[in-house]
Amino acid sequence: DGGITQSPKYLFRKEGQNVTLSCEQNLNHDAMYWYRQDPGQGLRLIYYSQIVNDFQKGDIAEGYSVSREKKESFPLTVTSAQKNPTAFYLCASNEPGRRETQYFGPGTRLLVL
Amino acid sequence: AQSVTQLDSQVPVFEEAPVELRCNYSSSVSVYLFWYVQYPNQGLQLLLKYLSGSTLVKGINGFEAEFNKSQTSFHLRKPSVHISDTAEYFCAVRGEGYQKVTFGTGTKLQVIP
Repeated sequence: DGGITQSPKYLFRKEGQNVTLSCEQNLNHDAMYWYRQDPGQGLRLIYYSQIVNDFQKGDIAEGYSVSREKKESFPLTVTSAQKNPTAFYLCASNEPGRRETQYFGPGTRLLVL
Repeated sequence: AQSVTQLDSQVPVFEEAPVELRCNYSSSVSVYLFWYVQYPNQGLQLLLKYLSGSTLVKGINGFEAEFNKSQTSFHLRKPSVHISDTAEYFCAVRGEGYQKVTFGTGTKLQVIP
């Protein structure tokens, strides 16, 4: 089955620690996205990548970093600079082209200890 | 710039009653419009989309939406809701020429038995 997987489902972060969220897709999509979801705020774009080895900042990139070394993988690192990391993180992908629908992974919930 | 407004944060409705979830958008260019559904602790699933053509769009689970350009709206409707429709619903817009999708803040539909 084609789709997007995210791991882990739950992640705990200690103060001052960097953590990495995994996102893998086997849909052969070029474009991938990371969103942060907070209650009552909808989805906010953190980073996106239209092609391997290239990515752009979204609306709330501060305190986050990404890499895109492979087409199927787009990991997100939440750094210690992100002071309020507790949220639900969603990864999405789509074929290039502005008409194309985004497909979402199941999400990772990040909690701070 | 583009934006989406979902004025209703919560909509309670009795089972088998009709429902309308409102969505208004703003964009200086032509738009593509989407409705997604999210069940607790899961990713987003596409319900339906408007790309062009007929302004009445039918989606999964008996939902439909109508694109109204003059009122810049894309309201979601279902003639008879079921308990299983209890979820959060997100409206989203992508403007012609824009790389990014903008999401509304979501509407929680609570179906009452």
